This record gives sequence, structure tokens and C-alpha cells, in this order.
Amino acid sequence: DTAVSQTPKYLVTQMGNDKSIKCEQNLGHDTMYWYKQDSKKFLKIMFSYNNKELIINETVPNRFSPKSPDKAHLNLHINSLELGDSAVYFCASSQDEWRYTFGSGTRLTVV
Amino acid sequence: QKEVEQDPGPLSVPEGAIVSLNCTYSNSAFQYFMWYRQYSRKGPELLMYTYSSGNKEDGRFTAQVDKSSKYISLFIRDSQPSDSATYLCAMSAGGFKTIFGAGTRLFVKA
Repeated sequence: DTAVSQTPKYLVTQMGNDKSIKCEQNLGHDTMYWYKQDSKKFLKIMFSYNNKELIINETVPNRFSPKSPDKAHLNLHINSLELGDSAVYFCASSQDEWRYTFGSGTRLTVV
Repeated sequence: QKEVEQDPGPLSVPEGAIVSLNCTYSNSAFQYFMWYRQYSRKGPELLMYTYSSGNKEDGRFTAQVDKSSKYISLFIRDSQPSDSATYLCAMSAGGFKTIFGAGTRLFVKA
């Protein structure tokens, strides 16, 4: 019954590795997002997809590549992980432009 | 200057107190104003939202927007230990881009 689900919840990996985070929503929303929350709890938008089309791409290193196979799924692939990528990554969805439903987050630790 | 400024706290209050949480912003194009509550190790959940200026009340929670001062507030009446969380203000001018404040950590002591 989870509205927005992310996997994995925790991810510990070494520098230089490539990893993916998956997100699925069962709310029927048209828009999905990736947000990054740093250690100070600051949430910053990374990407937004509307009906599988990329509509927002903030200043994010091109090591980060989102992919939306359909409007219920939005994945995030990260190449050549760096220490500074350690954060909590949240997936969210919305039907309108401003009321979001968030997943429970993926806590990424790069060692 | 950040688009949205929010004091990170922490804010500690006794049970039953009235809590006031605030944010200021610089972008006059913001039209949608939200408050999210985030419990430890959970995702943010939408608590309150308002469009343009004015007040909105929902149970013990009241959201206020003063666009002339670029200032928004969330009031929590009769605060409970279960209200202990981080409260994030958020704002949008539309276009599927919402800007979040840094969040204020609130502790309500029993």
C-alpha cells in the first residue's frame, strides 16, 4: 500500500562505484522528482519528470542520470561515486505542481 | 541570499505550548506555500498548504502567509511530544519546482 516506494533504503559503497536507486509510485501521479537532502537537512531538487519527460534538470553533475521507463517509475543511476555524494535521496510524486508525496528515502554512504 | 530562509533551531518547548515556526523568502513569484513535517529517518509529509496570502487552519495547526512581508508562519497549538519533528517550509511559483527551507527541528518535552 506504500504510495511512493524507494529501494534500497540503505546503500553503502566505495568511491568510484556505480549504483542505482529505484522509485515507484502507485498514486497515478503524472510527475516524479528526485531530491537530495544533505546532512543539514537541506532538500534540493535534482530532477523532475512529467509523463516520462524530463522537465527539470538542476545543476547536477552528469554522473547522475535519471531514467523514467513509465510515469510510475523513476530511477537514478550514479556513476563514479564520490564522497560528496553521501546524502539521503528522496523520490517524490505529485499530481499538481506543488503538493508532493515523498518516499522514505535512500541513505547513501560513500566510503 | 538563499531564496528561502528558515532558522534550523533546535526549538525546545514544553508540552502544551504554542509553537511558532517561520520562514522568509525573496522571490515574489512564489504563489504556493507549504509546510512539511519530517520525522527522523522518514520522508517529508505534507502538513499544510496555502495559495497566495491569508490564513488556513487545520485542527491544532494554522498556516499564515504575508506576501507583502515575504513571511510565512506555522503555529501549533497545544503542542504534543508526537509533534517533535523537523518542519520544512516550502514554496513554489509553479512549474514543478518547489524550493524548501532548511527545516526547523522541534522538540516537545512531556
